[in-house]
Amino acid sequence: KNQVEQSPQSLIILEGKNCTLQCNYTVSPFSNLRWYKQDTGRGPVSLTIMTFSENTKSNGRYTATLDADTKQSSLHITASQLSDSASYICVVIGGNNNDMRFGAGTRLTVKP
Amino acid sequence: DAGITQSPRHKVTETGTPVTLRCHQTENHRYMYWYRQDPGHGLRLIHYSYGVKDTDKGEVSDGYSVSRSKTEDFLLTLESATSSQTSVYFCAIRIGGTGAGGELFFGEGSRLTVL
Repeated sequence: KNQVEQSPQSLIILEGKNCTLQCNYTVSPFSNLRWYKQDTGRGPVSLTIMTFSENTKSNGRYTATLDADTKQSSLHITASQLSDSASYICVVIGGNNNDMRFGAGTRLTVKP
Repeated sequence: DAGITQSPRHKVTETGTPVTLRCHQTENHRYMYWYRQDPGHGLRLIHYSYGVKDTDKGEVSDGYSVSRSKTEDFLLTLESATSSQTSVYFCAIRIGGTGAGGELFFGEGSRLTVL
């Protein structure tokens, strides 16, 4: 079983709408969590990093939250744009060797 | 842009043939990684390198070998390609060390199809 589970697998929303992507993890001990954006045919690019002590962090229209007690993170996208269409990957760094564990990603499609 | 170039970007080959993918970086970072990405799976680590001639296996290393004779180049070789190795392969470098603060920067990917 993957130690990082993301939901939903895919999501379609209309331009201008908000959405929230979920990431649940079991990686322990926990060091930090990153959200990556991957455009079709491109490599993943880091959006934000959440450390153990951080609950919320924003990067423009993207806001990530972290609840280290329940081992959950979310990525909220506000006022979606067509360019937000991409896969969003949750990566948890932790374990004994600070390994990186990747979720399978959420495929977001923003339609006009 | 972390100065990572992967080649080839696309390749179609036949079962049983050898294939080598190249990852080139321009910034002399110590840590380099090869991942594969398949639908329904997260990126999975194949092999990684922590210096010239220093490599180690990841979670899906069977059927793959790597070499790093120069800091800037990390090669991934499939000695005898199989259809199960059809995938998109990503090279990455890690900046900031292997501690919690280290971050991965990815290349653009190499799409391999094994017929």
